Amino acid sequence: AQSVTQLGSHVSVSEGALVLLRCNYSSSVPPYLFWYVQYPNQGLQLLLKYTSAATLVKGINGFEAEFKKSETSFHLTKPSAHMSDAAEYFCAVSASDGQNFVFGPGTRLSVLP
Amino acid sequence: DAMVIQNPRYQVTQFGKPVTLSCSQTLNHNVMYWYQQKSSQAPKLLFHYYDKDFNNEADTPDNFQSRRPNTSFCFLDIRSPGLGDAAMYLCATSSDGGAFHEQFFGPGTRLTVL
Repeated sequence: AQSVTQLGSHVSVSEGALVLLRCNYSSSVPPYLFWYVQYPNQGLQLLLKYTSAATLVKGINGFEAEFKKSETSFHLTKPSAHMSDAAEYFCAVSASDGQNFVFGPGTRLSVLP
Repeated sequence: DAMVIQNPRYQVTQFGKPVTLSCSQTLNHNVMYWYQQKSSQAPKLLFHYYDKDFNNEADTPDNFQSRRPNTSFCFLDIRSPGLGDAAMYLCATSSDGGAFHEQFFGPGTRLTVL
């Protein structure tokens, strides 16, 4: 079975600062990993996904994430935060056959002027 | 653009009065999901359809039912809404033949129970 933990339910950064949102997973089989973003009162939008190809994955809006098997991590980063990045971010994991898709609890990102 | 559409975006119902939420998709995906998301929580999977096959999560209350009359449409029926059912309901789709089982989400329907 798969599970996801996200360290920090709320992260605040200053505009222009580095964004780092942490995700650790547990999986008994090779995982697929995803980051989704949710703006207030909206559905979830895929930022990026890891599917056993390159370990450094680039996504939309300048975000990227690195799969580190030894650390069972898939942290999300962005070099310079923008006010429009303020949202809820969810890490998710599934088995490579698509089964057991599980969301993490989410991290709310605030960007301070 | 291909997309997942949910209607209505906001729904108000009374305690115990049945309500139906609607989801449609133009992606021609064979899998459709319904999630419940309460404030400041992750989405919780209620059930999903794999083509016409219905798959209920073990802890989904009997109060929640679903129908999928065709590939494009899926409905969530709440037979007797309680105050605890007030939440955002998200519909999502995926294609098992598509790339890596990514789920595409609709904008959600926010349900208020009075």
